[in-house]
Amino acid sequence: NAGVTQTPKFRVLKTGQSMTLLCAQDMNHEYMYWYRQDPGMGLRLIHYSVGEGTTAKGEVPDGYNVSRLKKQNFLLGLESAAPSQTSVYFCASSYGGTAYEQYFGPGTRLTVT
Amino acid sequence: GENVEQHPSTLSVQEGDSAVIKCTYSDSASNYFPWYKQELGKGPQLIIDIRSNVGEKKDQRIAVTLNKTAKHFSLHITETQPEDSAVYFCAAKGGNTPLVFGKGTRLSVIA
Repeated sequence: NAGVTQTPKFRVLKTGQSMTLLCAQDMNHEYMYWYRQDPGMGLRLIHYSVGEGTTAKGEVPDGYNVSRLKKQNFLLGLESAAPSQTSVYFCASSYGGTAYEQYFGPGTRLTVT
Repeated sequence: GENVEQHPSTLSVQEGDSAVIKCTYSDSASNYFPWYKQELGKGPQLIIDIRSNVGEKKDQRIAVTLNKTAKHFSLHITETQPEDSAVYFCAAKGGNTPLVFGKGTRLSVIA
C-alpha cells in the first residue's frame, strides 16, 4: 500500500496563477483532509470531506476550493494564488471521523512569489 | 470553537532524560486527544492517543495523561533517544468540530 500520496512535491507560482494539488489514498478511507503548516502555527485545517461527493470548510478555507469526486482522491485548488498562501500543504485521511487516526501524506511545499 | 495551547515551543534534553510536553484545551466537550510526531521532511504520524474516559495511557517509553477537570493533557517520553528528536503536536477534538492542533514542540535530544 502506498498510503497517502501527494502531487506535486514542490511548486513555485506567481501571484494570480492557479493550481491544483492532488491527494490520493489507497486505504479506502471515508474521511480526507487538507491542512497547511506554517512556521510557529502548527497544522491548520483548510477543508475536509466526510465521504465521496462531500466537502466542508475548516479553520482557514478562504482562497481555496476542494473537490472529492472519487473516494480515493481529494483535490485542493487555488484559483488566484497570493504570497500569503506560501506554505507546506498536507493531505490526510482517516477511516472514521476525526476521532480516529489520521494518516498524512509527505506534503507539498508551495511558494507564491 | 476549540483552542489548544501547547508548551514549550522548544525543548532540549540530554539522552536518557525524560521529556514532558503540556497542552491545554478550551472545549469541555472535547473527548479525543492524540499526539503526533513529525520528523524532518515528513508528514505527522500518530504516536499515542487518549480518550476522555481514561486518565492515563502508556506505550513503552511514551505515556499520556489527561486531567479533564483542569482541561490539560501531557506527553511524557522516558529514556529519550536521539531518534526521539522531532516536532510533536498535540490535538483535541471537541463536540462536532474537527481535530484542532497545537502549535507544536521541537524536541532535541542531545547525545
